[in-house]
This record gives sequence, C-alpha cells and structure tokens, in this order.
Amino acid sequence: GENVEQHPSTLSVQEGDSAVIKCTYSDSASNYFPWYKQELGKGPQLIIDIRSNVGEKKDQRIAVTLNKTAKHFSLHITETQPEDSAVYFCAAWNSYGKLTFGQGTILTVHP
Amino acid sequence: GAGVSQTPSNKVTEKGKYVELRCDPISGHTALYWYRQSLGQGPEFLIYFQGTGAADDSGLPNDRFFAVRPEGSVSTLKIQRTERGDSAVYLCASSLLGGNNEQFFGPGTRLTVL
Repeated sequence: GENVEQHPSTLSVQEGDSAVIKCTYSDSASNYFPWYKQELGKGPQLIIDIRSNVGEKKDQRIAVTLNKTAKHFSLHITETQPEDSAVYFCAAWNSYGKLTFGQGTILTVHP
Repeated sequence: GAGVSQTPSNKVTEKGKYVELRCDPISGHTALYWYRQSLGQGPEFLIYFQGTGAADDSGLPNDRFFAVRPEGSVSTLKIQRTERGDSAVYLCASSLLGGNNEQFFGPGTRLTVL
C-alpha cells in the first residue's frame, strides 16, 4: 500500500519566520495531495491541496510544491503567526482509492 | 452551513462492551469515510461509503468493527467486545463526490476503553 513519510515531526519558529514541512510518497500513481491543519480537540481542516498536473499552488501565506519525479511535496507557510500553531498533516490519494496520511508535524510559532 | 457532526464527543467504556459512534455528514454529500487516529499519528482509513453501500471496508481491523449507512446519510460505526487497543479518536469525513476530492472532517469521537 501507499506509504507517506512526513518531516519534521516538530517544528518551532519565531513569529514572522517561514515554516516548511516535507512529505514523500511511494505510489507513483498518486494524483491528489491535500494538507490538513488540526487544532487540539478538533478534526483536520483542509488548508490547501494540489493535483498532480501542477507543480505549485499558492493561497495567501500558504504554498505547496509538488515534485512528481522525486515523489515529494512540501508545505510552505510564510510570515507565520501564533495562530498557525497546530498539527499539520500531509496526505496522498493513491491508486487504491484511499487517502493516506503522514505522521504529522507539530508546528509551534513563538510570539 | 452545518459541517460534519459526530456524537458522542467522548465515550468511556469498559473492556468487552459494545459501542456505537454516530456521524452526520454534510447534507448532500454522497461519500462518507471513517478514520481512526491514535495519539500522535495521522488518521488511518477504516471504511468508505458511497451512498448506502460500503464501497471499501479494507481498513476495518477485524470483524469486531462494523459500520452502516442505511439511508445514505447518517452513519454508525459499531465496535463489539471492545479492547483497550481500540482506544483512539474516531473521525468521520464526508465528500460531495468522493474520489480524489476534498474531504470534510468532523470533530471526532474520543473512545477510551478501560
């Protein structure tokens, strides 16, 4: 089955700095890659997604890049704010028709 | 509009008991998913419904787990003879079309088996 690896497991930044989270996937047929933000006691919330026919997508302070050849994709958050602190999950939709999640990154933004 | 809701938010039970977890998807969403999230991990797929039928139940860990969606809307995840290892947050998600489209998650039910 699909394997999605996510790094780092924890990330601590100062307010205003950038944060980058990286994921790799194993199924070359995967074609949809969402990123979710999960706050304590809540369900995951989609923040951005990318499909395999594009290499980059941006939405205000958040951007995602995809390298299909290397089978990795990354989340970039610029000008981080304390409210960005949460657990972030990458995921990949694979040829088995399932969404496989990474292990998560705990992002802490210090004011 | 209303999002995905799940009840109860917390459930504490004793080993060996039977539990039911409920999911109310977003109105009109044909696809419904159940995931299990252990502490410090990402959600893991359990089962997927398209309409009333279970299109894929390959993630259910064993025959103690069963889920239904009799009218194509509300779904119930049922766990028999609960074990301590079943303790986790059970998440439900719905999607308008299913497939590789956005899934909207509920807040989850935290199940604790003593």
